[in-house]
Amino acid sequence: QKEVEQDPGPLSVPEGAIVSLNCTYSNSAFQYFMWYRQYSRKGPELLMYTYSSGNKEDGRFTAQVDKSSKYISLFIRDSQPSDSATYLCAMYNFNKFYFGSGTKLNVKP
Amino acid sequence: DTEVTQTPKHLVMGMTNKKSLKCEQHMGHRAMYWYKQKAKKPPELMFVYSYEKLSINESVPSRFSPECPNSSLLNLHLHALQPEDSALYLCASSQPALAETTGELFFGEGSRLTVL
Repeated sequence: QKEVEQDPGPLSVPEGAIVSLNCTYSNSAFQYFMWYRQYSRKGPELLMYTYSSGNKEDGRFTAQVDKSSKYISLFIRDSQPSDSATYLCAMYNFNKFYFGSGTKLNVKP
Repeated sequence: DTEVTQTPKHLVMGMTNKKSLKCEQHMGHRAMYWYKQKAKKPPELMFVYSYEKLSINESVPSRFSPECPNSSLLNLHLHALQPEDSALYLCASSQPALAETTGELFFGEGSRLTVL
């Protein structure tokens, strides 16, 4: 079983839609949870960072962590074509970062 | 713009060449990382330096040789690579160091390597 599971997609939505991206994990020791956005042929860009459980909001983006279910989510409101990218979830435990396989998102104008 | 700078952005090399990838950060981070990323795959950890000392080597072949000259610089020396080593090589850093990091990892734009 992988440490972090993420649906690879692709996920295609119309402009303005609410997007929900999700990851599940197996290691209950994870305390730090990140979402990265990666455009084609570029390095990953840190989008959201959350410590422990709860919600965090930044503009159109909301990150949620449910440690009891070992489940994290990223919501994108009013999605834009510029949001089209691959979204990677990541988690940190002593010494290492663990990445999901990434979900490819396409927002159609 | 990313605060982790990688050069070169693109590199093409033959299997007998020796080349180096360079990475620089000025955020005061004390942990620096090399990742390898193949198309449609997540980044794969290669090496971690913490306080300029190699702390993690993920069983990477010796044709990849990392170097951390100081707290701001990280190099990856390449020698006798194989075509399957073609990938995007990503440098990253975190604050302040491996065991103390808040969990935020910052990546550079990457160096796209093609081995002929």
